[in-house]
Amino acid sequence: DAGVIQSPRHEVTEMGQEVTLRCKPISGHDYLFWYRQTMMRGLELLIYFNNNVPIDDSGMPEDRFSAKMPNASFSTLKIQPSEPRDSAVYFCASSLNAIGYTQYFGPGTRLTVL
Amino acid sequence: GENVEQHPSTLSVQEGDSAVIKCTYSDSASNYFPWYKQELGKGPQLIIDIRSNVGEKKDQRIAVTLNKTAKHFSLHITETQPEDSAVYFCAASLPGYALNFGKGTSLLVTP
Repeated sequence: DAGVIQSPRHEVTEMGQEVTLRCKPISGHDYLFWYRQTMMRGLELLIYFNNNVPIDDSGMPEDRFSAKMPNASFSTLKIQPSEPRDSAVYFCASSLNAIGYTQYFGPGTRLTVL
Repeated sequence: GENVEQHPSTLSVQEGDSAVIKCTYSDSASNYFPWYKQELGKGPQLIIDIRSNVGEKKDQRIAVTLNKTAKHFSLHITETQPEDSAVYFCAASLPGYALNFGKGTSLLVTP
């Protein structure tokens, strides 16, 4: 298997622009997680899905952030409008079966908002 | 929710020495404790995990110990090698809940 795939790997945009990050989980994994990583706050869970249904979005910082999972093989994280403080590395991860099992992380998207 | 504290934030050891990273958690009901390794430019990768019904687990040069009474768990790396240099994250989860990660430890192994 190719592992978790994320695109783009790097994104540079200007404040106010819309940003869409994409993720393809490992085939057969029922759970998908979106994380944000910064030096100050470490790894923060933003939202996770089970069987394409959002379960917990309490980590989403504000209404500018939204995530969707239209099918088992694709998810998006959208920021609209983007702000400089959104600059971070965003990771997608997937896991098999249930919470409390190995999460497989993608390579991340490094977002820079100017 | 669960709160995970990780120490130290940076650790430098000489090749061949042992490295120990410690984490504490706040909720005694937590039952799953994984450790992830993150190399530069990559996503975190699971290296070892332990569940609350076990006190210690070992896999070659790495081991994890769990003290449920004190609510802390530790990662032990023996005979360190330069390729062990990375950022290590501990995490803990309550049953049915997602992982809460520590802030990470940057380990440097010098030849």
